[in-house]
Amino acid sequence: QSALTQPASVSGSPGQSITIPCTGTSSDVGTYNYVSWFQQHPGKAPKLMIFGVSNRPSGVPDRFSGSKSGNTASLTISGLQAEDEADYYCSSYASSSTVIFGGGTKLTVL
Amino acid sequence: VQLVESGGGLVQPGGSLRLSCAASGFTFSSYWMTWVRQAPGKGLEWVANIKEDGSGKYYMDSVKGRFTISRDDANNSLYLQMNSLRTEDTAVYYCARDRTRLFDWGQGTLVTVSS
Repeated sequence: QSALTQPASVSGSPGQSITIPCTGTSSDVGTYNYVSWFQQHPGKAPKLMIFGVSNRPSGVPDRFSGSKSGNTASLTISGLQAEDEADYYCSSYASSSTVIFGGGTKLTVL
Repeated sequence: VQLVESGGGLVQPGGSLRLSCAASGFTFSSYWMTWVRQAPGKGLEWVANIKEDGSGKYYMDSVKGRFTISRDDANNSLYLQMNSLRTEDTAVYYCARDRTRLFDWGQGTLVTVSS
């Protein structure tokens, strides 16, 4: 199965908002509300930021939000901060208990 | 919650390795467990997962028949037996808690397949 589609990079200035789209198909994102988002800083393990499309684990700032429309899920980060600069990955359940990841998006805080 | 992977290293193509993941801080037997890998400079790639009771095991296509996921709930441990390794299996391998939410991750263990 092909990876979910994410832009290779996005950027924004401190205090601004950015949105990272994650496009799948009717076999994954479009059918299941099991979309997650992960943040990964260089040399570190990924960290769960959003699960179930729009739910934040405890400890994740409410500046991070998730949504879904059709086959595309989105991660929005408002009030950008320098520490948000990282790679971001989406994932989705894809039937038969398999999971598929997006290719990743590098967020640069200008 | 703590997940600690071990068992990585350098292996020749066609060789085998067994990765382990020691879990603590949660009721291990109540959760699906997952292996995810990341090739150097590349993105995350789901590899396999296993149901809470070990009755269901699922794999990405390219590792089917070569990798086997297993668990030992008595010892709170997750395993990945990797056989017939290929150069394209070179990656950091992470274990993670849960099937889709992947709440917690270990620090990863590096597997290098090279002659």
